[in-house]
Order: sequence, then C-alpha cells, then structure tokens
Amino acid sequence: DAGVIQSPRHEVTEMGQEVTLRCKPISGHDYLFWYRQTMMRGLELLIYFNNNVPIDDSGMPEDRFSAKMPNASFSTLKIQPSEPRDSAVYFCASSPRQLQETQYFGPGTRLLVL
Amino acid sequence: QKEVEQNSGPLSVPEGAIASLNCTYSDRGSQSFFWYRQYSGKSPELIMFIYSNGDKEDGRFTAQLNKASQYVSLLIRDSQPSDSATYLCAVMAQGGKLIFGQGTELSVKP
Repeated sequence: DAGVIQSPRHEVTEMGQEVTLRCKPISGHDYLFWYRQTMMRGLELLIYFNNNVPIDDSGMPEDRFSAKMPNASFSTLKIQPSEPRDSAVYFCASSPRQLQETQYFGPGTRLLVL
Repeated sequence: QKEVEQNSGPLSVPEGAIASLNCTYSDRGSQSFFWYRQYSGKSPELIMFIYSNGDKEDGRFTAQLNKASQYVSLLIRDSQPSDSATYLCAVMAQGGKLIFGQGTELSVKP
C-alpha cells in the first residue's frame, strides 16, 4: 500500500492567493483527518470525515478554511484568501473503521505564505 | 491548562540509557492514549497505544498509564541515537479526536 498521499509537498504562495491541499487516504480507511502543525501551537486537528461526511470541523480556524471529501479516495483543504499566519505543515491522516486504531499520517504539505 | 502537557525538552540521554518521557492530561474521562514519534521534517508515526492502567511493553518501549493521576509515560530502554526524535503524546477525546501534546524532543548521544 502506498500509504496516505498528499500533494503538493511544498507550496509557496503570496498573501491573498487561494491554496488547495490534496489528500488521498489509504484505501479502505473510513476516517480522514486534516491537521496543522506549527512550532507555536503544535499539532492541531482541523477537521475530520467519516465515510466522506464531515464530523467535526471545530478546529477549522476561520471561514477562510474549507475542506471537502467528494469521494472515499480524495479530500481537499482550501485556504482562501491565504495569510502569512497560515504558514505551517498540513498533515492528512486516515484510519480504519475503528476510531481507536492508529491514524496513519501522510508526508505533509509545507505551506509558506509570503 | 492545556489538555495534554509534555515537557518540551530537549531531553538528552547517553546511548544505552533509559529515556523517560512524561505526559499529563486534563480530561479524566479519557480512555485511550497514544505515543507518536516524529523525526525532524517527517510525519508522526505511532509507537504505542495504551488503554488500561499499568504497563504495556513492546520491544524496547514501555508505555505506562495511571488514570487516577492522569499520567502517561513512555520508557525507552537501551536508547539508541536513532531514537533521537520528538515524541508526541496524544489523548483521544470525546468523538474520537486525538488531542496532541506539544512533544518532547529526545536526543540520544553516542
């Protein structure tokens, strides 16, 4: 299995631009999670999906952030408009049916907003 | 008070020694606890999870849980330079969300 796939791996953009991060979970995993990691705040859960349905988006920082999961094999996290404080590493993770089993993390997308 | 607290370190131990990493959590109702390892520039990977009070051993790693004290620890025996990484403690909150601590940086000196 290829594991969780994220793209792009690195993104540099200017303030005000739209940024779209992509994730392909491990096949057969029912849960998909989006995290953000910064030095100041550590690893924070933004949103997670179960069977393509958003379950908890309480971690989404503000309306500039949106996430979708149109099918079981693809999810996007969009930031519009982007701001310098959005600079972080964004991880996607997936887990099997049982929530309490391990979450498998993707390699992350390093986002720099200038 | 943060929901999950860890000493940020860095924790430095000599090769072959025991490294002890500690974590406290605030939600007394938490039932599931996880230790992740994260190498610099890489993604977190699960080392161990523990649900019951007491010790759980896996090779050189031992997780210890004391729910009464709201305390979780990870012991790494015979520490190796390859164990040098940041160790993240995570607690499962209601609804299945993982709440992560800030992580403890471990450095194992040859």
